[in-house]
Amino acid sequence: DIIMTQSPLSLPVTPGEPASISCTSSQSLLNSNGYNSLDWYLQKPGQSPQLLIYLGSFRASGVPDRFSGSGSGGDFTLRISRVEAEDVGVYYCLQARQSPLTFGQGTKLEIK
Amino acid sequence: EVQLVESGGGLAQPGGSLRLSCAASGFIFTDYWMNWVRQAPGKGLEWVTNIKPDGSEKFYVDSVKGRFTISRDNAKNSVYLQLSSLRVDDTAVYYCSAAAGNSPHHYDRYWGQGTLVTVSS
Repeated sequence: DIIMTQSPLSLPVTPGEPASISCTSSQSLLNSNGYNSLDWYLQKPGQSPQLLIYLGSFRASGVPDRFSGSGSGGDFTLRISRVEAEDVGVYYCLQARQSPLTFGQGTKLEIK
Repeated sequence: EVQLVESGGGLAQPGGSLRLSCAASGFIFTDYWMNWVRQAPGKGLEWVTNIKPDGSEKFYVDSVKGRFTISRDNAKNSVYLQLSSLRVDDTAVYYCSAAAGNSPHHYDRYWGQGTLVTVSS
């Protein structure tokens, strides 16, 4: 199974400041079509997960452009250029390169 | 409007069974892989199982193999999860999700609101 490791697990951020979350995989997530099978999700309190970034770096529909994803192979980063209060929640990376699909442990972003 | 509505959760005893259902609408169901993902209280997300659009392939996480069975009825736009030999650590919110596409211009992912399964004596 592919192991996904996120850091940090807790992320206190001052509004307006940037934030970044790292996700590493135990195997390469590069698939046969040249894209990385890595998604980023945000789960806001009391809600279902919502897709932020797919294929490593593509922003999902309706996601603010302050969110960006980068990386390839086995190292990925989610960046928020300027954190807003509505960004609080738990961020997860998910690999869909092979079954079983696996999530990172989650990173809890809170506002200072 | 896309909707995934889970049902069937509730209280079950250890060793017991439950059947979860997920009714889909607002998209072409037969184009989508269907997944079940669970979240134990206060814990992270765990992918459980998925099924190919035509039902010909199914995959499971090791911890549920031989106990859980995923199925789908494309005529009813529904996917099911039969939970058997339940254990206390199966207690979780179970989410249904749909997935289609694997390219920048086609990447659809939808999630339901979840249904709570509690396993307790």
